[in-house]
Amino acid sequence: DVQMTQSPYNLAASPGESVSINCKASKSISKYLAWYQQKPGKANKLLIYDGSTLQSGIPSRFSGSGSGTDFTLTIRSLEPEDFGLYYCQQHNEYPWTFGGGTKLELK
Amino acid sequence: QVQLQQSGAELVKPGSSVKISCKASGYTFTSYDMHWIKQQPGNGLEWIGWIYPGNGNTKYNQKFNGKATLTADKSSSTAYMQLSSLTSEDSAVYFCARVDYPGPLDYWGQGVMVTVSS
Repeated sequence: DVQMTQSPYNLAASPGESVSINCKASKSISKYLAWYQQKPGKANKLLIYDGSTLQSGIPSRFSGSGSGTDFTLTIRSLEPEDFGLYYCQQHNEYPWTFGGGTKLELK
Repeated sequence: QVQLQQSGAELVKPGSSVKISCKASGYTFTSYDMHWIKQQPGNGLEWIGWIYPGNGNTKYNQKFNGKATLTADKSSSTAYMQLSSLTSEDSAVYFCARVDYPGPLDYWGQGVMVTVSS
């Protein structure tokens, strides 16, 4: 199985700041990496897929980059609603696997 | 709009089985894969498998072979997952999520908490 290592585990930031979350695959997954946001009481939300493609309806302050084994999610100018949990997931081969998650907290 | 409405929380006894549902609306149910994902308290996400409601084809994570069984009812646009021989390790939130193959999980249900306890 492809192991997905996500970092950092915790991240504290203030509204208006920019942050980056990293995801490393144990082998090449080409471009097939997705990012999700998880918040209590809400359905998980797809943000980015295929490494850098913004899902419809997601604000442009979210961006993704990378290919092969190393990927990054960047959120520019944090809004209050951006705080929550973020997961990466490879959709290149089965079984699909997820990173361990990053908790983005208000500083 | 696409919606996946999952059934309510379950409290079940060790050794028993449970069947949870995921009712789809806002799209053609038979044209998209339905995936299932497990999240244990404080833990990350684990992919269980998928079913294609159009023909009933399934694929499972080997780890869940014999544990999870995926089915779908086209007449009610509802996907089901049955979990058998339950233990405390099966206590988790279970999500359904749609996939527009070969893409990612683009819409998720709200999750169902299954608690296994005597």
